[in-house]
Amino acid sequence: DAKTTQPTSMDCAEGRAANLPCNHSTISGNEYVYWYRQIHSQGPQYIIHGLKNNETNEMASLIITEDRKSSTLILPHATLRDTAVYYCIVRVEGTYKYIFGTGTRLKVLA
Amino acid sequence: GAGVSQSPRYKVAKRGQDVALRCDPISGHVSLFWYQQALGQGPEFLTYFQNEAQLDKSGLPSDRFFAERPEGSVSTLKIQRTQQEDSAVYLCASSLAASSGNTIYFGEGSWLTVV
Repeated sequence: DAKTTQPTSMDCAEGRAANLPCNHSTISGNEYVYWYRQIHSQGPQYIIHGLKNNETNEMASLIITEDRKSSTLILPHATLRDTAVYYCIVRVEGTYKYIFGTGTRLKVLA
Repeated sequence: GAGVSQSPRYKVAKRGQDVALRCDPISGHVSLFWYQQALGQGPEFLTYFQNEAQLDKSGLPSDRFFAERPEGSVSTLKIQRTQQEDSAVYLCASSLAASSGNTIYFGEGSWLTVV
């Protein structure tokens, strides 16, 4: 089964880049990696997704290793409002089931 | 509306009561997902619809849980004879198409507390 592994928590100073790693060594060749974040009492908010190439949007950058077994979400200039739980998710091959891991609790410090 | 809408936002049910949770996906979205999120945990998959067809219900925890999407738009998750362990946030999500690579949009969730 597809599975993701993330550090439980991380701290980042305000204004600095936050780099959040994810291991997804069992990902299949055609499945995308997605990143979401969740602020307490809200639904997961989409951030970015990618397949093989690195991706960038107005929120973040996604770096995927060449073997696709891991990825890193980069928030270039973290703000206090980026404090949240960040999830990387993948789909189980051949199904419609997207698997969330335990997520990384990012705390941005003033 | 612009996003996935869920109602009720909060529900308190007495143990043994039946509850129904509604999801209005983004208009035109083919795929619809239900997830359950216990306190302090990540969301866990319950079921998936492609239009009106329920293609995967492997995550439903018991036969007390039932989901439907009769016209391929609005979906209802029904829980019969609620138990305390059913207390959780129930999240609905939708995406334009079924293939991987489509953005999946989540609603704010329905918070269920069983007392």
